[in-house]
Amino acid sequence: AQRVTQPEKLLSVFKGAPVELKCNYSYSGSPELFWYVQYSRQRLQLLLRHISRESIKGFTADLNKGETSFHLKKPFAQEEDSAMYYCALNYGGSQGNLIFGKGTKLSVKP
Amino acid sequence: DVKVTQSSRYLVKRTGEKVFLECVQDMDHENMFWYRQDPGLGLRLIYFSYDVKMKEKGDIPEGYSVSREKKERFSLILESASTNQTSMYLCASRYPGRGYEQYFGPGTRLTVT
Repeated sequence: AQRVTQPEKLLSVFKGAPVELKCNYSYSGSPELFWYVQYSRQRLQLLLRHISRESIKGFTADLNKGETSFHLKKPFAQEEDSAMYYCALNYGGSQGNLIFGKGTKLSVKP
Repeated sequence: DVKVTQSSRYLVKRTGEKVFLECVQDMDHENMFWYRQDPGLGLRLIYFSYDVKMKEKGDIPEGYSVSREKKERFSLILESASTNQTSMYLCASRYPGRGYEQYFGPGTRLTVT
């Protein structure tokens, strides 16, 4: 069965420090992975998707099929990065059903 | 900009009441989803729909039903609300096909007393 694991419930770093939010997945098919973010009092929104291989707000994530991971990284954290981050796996093919990890709350201290 | 709206931001209902949560999207998306979001549990899929009048059970459909009479509207129904259904409910929509993101509504925080 498909599964997404985010091992850290809470990650606390100082401003300017590197940050890595971990995501591991279990899926028998070809994975399609996303990172969603929810800032305080805002709706859940897409941060990035692996097929785009893009950098958004300084964040990157590389799909590692050997380690079944899709970790989110940023070299220098900013206070405005504080939010709830969810890793998600599309297991529904073209219909786009997502299974979400339980989320990691990132807190960036000044 | 894609707009997904939900009928209520906050809702308080009594145990046993029938509750309707409405979701409307304005981008002609075929696919729509209902999730509940609970601390420490993340998002869990309740029901989804690929087209008008079509519905499929997600991971936690017990105690819920849905209705999709029009393409833009997807309703979540709690037949007889219980206290364990107190939660944040999120609606989402997307185009079919790989690579498309889901767009989320602002959420409805439902409290059942």
